[in-house]
Amino acid sequence: GAGVSQSPSNKVTEKGKDVELRCDPISGHTALYWYRQSLGQGLEFLIYFQGNSAPDKSGLPSDRFSAERTGGSVSTLTIQRTQQEDSAVYLCASSLVGSRVDQPQHFGDGTRLSIL
Amino acid sequence: KNEVEQSPQNLTAQEGEFITINCSYSVGISALHWLQQHPGGGIVSLFMLSSGKKKHGRLIATINIQEKHSSLHITASHPRDSAVYICAVTPLRSNYKLTFGKGTLLTVNP
Repeated sequence: GAGVSQSPSNKVTEKGKDVELRCDPISGHTALYWYRQSLGQGLEFLIYFQGNSAPDKSGLPSDRFSAERTGGSVSTLTIQRTQQEDSAVYLCASSLVGSRVDQPQHFGDGTRLSIL
Repeated sequence: KNEVEQSPQNLTAQEGEFITINCSYSVGISALHWLQQHPGGGIVSLFMLSSGKKKHGRLIATINIQEKHSSLHITASHPRDSAVYICAVTPLRSNYKLTFGKGTLLTVNP
């Protein structure tokens, strides 16, 4: 597709379960970003990938959160043993090159995660 | 205190009105971004600027680097402009990591 694709668009799960969120960036974009938007809060940075490497994981809130990227393309954000405070919209973005400040980030529509 | 502050938090206007949303930031930046988020979550990048002024259709964005302030203006507002408008900055300490304001919810009534 032409844009950043995220799946699922909505996910409802029980507290304590593991969830996987998927992001398919724009073809050819080497940089990929995960953000979280909690109710009433602004967007917060989680992790940045350049290719398959993650030089900045500083925004991951706990060791229950992990992410990987394979083939320089699709990325998966995994949350283990989910807690109610993990409920949020998880947004993925990609850009042509991460190290260039003049490269805009293109956002997906997000995954709305609800923990019961 | 957040590094990026927006005002107002909420704004209601009548169709046709001129709208201004303000953004102030407290860190050195290499770029400032204005983003639009419609209900349902999708985010669209409207502008990326590091100096001066940019115009796209009815939207105008300005930045004053010395005062660490930016404004987003919408002329002849329309109900389809109703959305959350988010200001974000690329701090000098990072080429890629965006720091976001909390957004301004704009509602334009017909």
